[in-house]
Amino acid sequence: AQSVTQPDIHITVSEGASLELRCNYSYGATPYLFWYVQSPGQGLQLLLKYFSGDTLVQGIKGFEAEFKRSQSSFNLRKPSVHWSDAAEYFCAVAGNSGGYQKVTFGIGTKLQVIP
Amino acid sequence: GAVVSQHPSWVICKSGTSVKIECRSLDFQATTMFWYRQFPKQSLMLMATSNEGSKATYEQGVEKDKFLINHASLTLSTLTVTSAHPEDSSFYICSARMSLMQSDTQYFGPGTRLTVL
Repeated sequence: AQSVTQPDIHITVSEGASLELRCNYSYGATPYLFWYVQSPGQGLQLLLKYFSGDTLVQGIKGFEAEFKRSQSSFNLRKPSVHWSDAAEYFCAVAGNSGGYQKVTFGIGTKLQVIP
Repeated sequence: GAVVSQHPSWVICKSGTSVKIECRSLDFQATTMFWYRQFPKQSLMLMATSNEGSKATYEQGVEKDKFLINHASLTLSTLTVTSAHPEDSSFYICSARMSLMQSDTQYFGPGTRLTVL
């Protein structure tokens, strides 16, 4: 069964500092990987996704993520965090299960940005 | 980009009543729609997957008679919480996918907060 682990539940960074949110997945084949962001009381917005090809994926809002098969990781990075980046971030993996696509989400990492 | 809407955004109801939540894909046709539930400070839990014109597939542990899903058209899916109880209070989020392809992106609605008194 597929699974996603986000080891950091809560991260605090200073505005302007770099950011890395960790994500590890478990899946039997090449996974489809996603990062979503959720602001309080809102739905999820897709930041970026990896299906195949270049392992470094560029997304919206200056985010990028790198797929590392050997480490089963898909960490999200941003070189300089803005106060508006404060939100909850979810890593997700998609795969087949019983013929239906299922997206499994991690528990999320809450990002706090301090001035 | 693809837009998914949900209505209502927030609903408060009395215990024992039924509540219907709509999920619409506004600028694309969704072959598949998903319904998720999110408890406070937790991740999303997939409740069911619905393909247009066919019965929804429910995840293990989700009561299909309590959470009725109708995917009547390629742009509309509804989730009806029947005989709601306080433990059904949660944030319900739908998503829609344009194709049957596994690699296709799911686009999420803004969510509906249900509070059962």
